[in-house]
Amino acid sequence: GAVVSQHPSRVICKSGTSVKIECRSLDFQATTMFWYRQFPKQSLMLMATSNEGSKATYEQGVEKDKFLINHASLTLSTLTVTSAHPEDSSFYICSARDRSGGFSYEQYFGPGTRLTVT
Amino acid sequence: SQKIEQNSEALNIQEGKTATLTCNYTNYSPAYLQWYRQDPGRGPVFLLLIRENEKEKRKERLKVTFDTTLKQSLFHITASQPADSATYLCALGDNSGGYQKVTFGIGTKLQVIP
Repeated sequence: GAVVSQHPSRVICKSGTSVKIECRSLDFQATTMFWYRQFPKQSLMLMATSNEGSKATYEQGVEKDKFLINHASLTLSTLTVTSAHPEDSSFYICSARDRSGGFSYEQYFGPGTRLTVT
Repeated sequence: SQKIEQNSEALNIQEGKTATLTCNYTNYSPAYLQWYRQDPGRGPVFLLLIRENEKEKRKERLKVTFDTTLKQSLFHITASQPADSATYLCALGDNSGGYQKVTFGIGTKLQVIP
């Protein structure tokens, strides 16, 4: 089945530093990847949609200069949280859509990255 | 504004019984609806998708219904097992803005008691 990995699974960083999170599709090509954020006891909130080779589309209220997304290849997307602050502490999850077999609504999620900013 | 409602309180049922989870939505006309399972500290796992023109979908012990008039989906797990204990997310998808966007509910935590 389609597998999506994320690295790192957990990261603790100091306020003001930047953190990069990688999302990889291991056995399929993902033309579209999504980045979500989930706070405790809340739903997944879509942050941005990225298509390989083009700029990401950010949801309203998400700062594109703070959350940098790069979808450089069909198997890798990265999210960089720049100048992180404690309020950025959250669970970040990526997902990918496999389009190789034609159109599909199914998203495959990564295991998530727990970011703690101290 | 668009709203998705799931019972945020935990649902406790006895092993072997059928668990029924509810997803209601307002101010939304989804093209499809999905159900996901999420375990603590993990990403969601896709379970079932049902389109707006479908009434019911089944997969092994799982059954999903979709009533676009009532704006409601029901998710059933028959012969429930302790391993089914998890949070179940309802997600609505549409094709607005030229790309497929999925909006998630808060999820319902299911606890199957042995």
